[in-house]
Amino acid sequence: EVHLVESGGDLVQPGGSLRLSCVASGFTFSDHNMDWVRQTPGRGLEWVARIRSKPNGHTTEYAASVKDRFSVSRDDSKNSLYLQMSSLKTDDTALYYCARSPTGWGPFDIWGQGTMVTVSS
Amino acid sequence: DTQMTQSPSSLSASVGDRVTITCRASQSISSSLAWYQHKPGKAPRLLIDKASRLQSGVPSRFSGSGSGTEFTLTISSLQPDDSASYYCLQYLTYPFTFGPGTNAEIK
Repeated sequence: EVHLVESGGDLVQPGGSLRLSCVASGFTFSDHNMDWVRQTPGRGLEWVARIRSKPNGHTTEYAASVKDRFSVSRDDSKNSLYLQMSSLKTDDTALYYCARSPTGWGPFDIWGQGTMVTVSS
Repeated sequence: DTQMTQSPSSLSASVGDRVTITCRASQSISSSLAWYQHKPGKAPRLLIDKASRLQSGVPSRFSGSGSGTEFTLTISSLQPDDSASYYCLQYLTYPFTFGPGTNAEIK
């Protein structure tokens, strides 16, 4: 069965850093583009970042709101996806999901259950 | 960026009712439109991609239509298990953008 399990969410002060992880199982992780998506009560669902599959060169894309502060990476040998977050703002408070996209092109077809990040002093 | 709007923001309908949710894009996205169902505490579930392609395992009472800038999700006969939030997503261009969501409640 296909699974994505996120971890690493925590309470952090503004300006702080945090690293989220997502472990995948049940599919060939290296074949898929992987994304981070977040959900806040006020702004709904927001796509955060993408890292493409190994065949697509592990290149990355970011939402403007997180570019230059967040960094997405992956370790295909560990079936793991990461999101390094720095210079955190209160607006980054959200439930962070990792999500898989199908091979080729398409929308996120498998999601984890999310990990909560709270940025507050 | 492509902005997505959804209507209604919430709905309340009876079991067996036909329900339609509309999603509009600020510019043409061809058929690069997906619909998700999201229940509290659960992972979002992909219902439809390419505007109208039903995903495996999704009940046939769900259907999608549209192209360009206007899209609809229809539930032909609302069931108690359909109580959830529904979101559209455009995945043609970065940044991928979601609609604000529709909360569906069963009367």
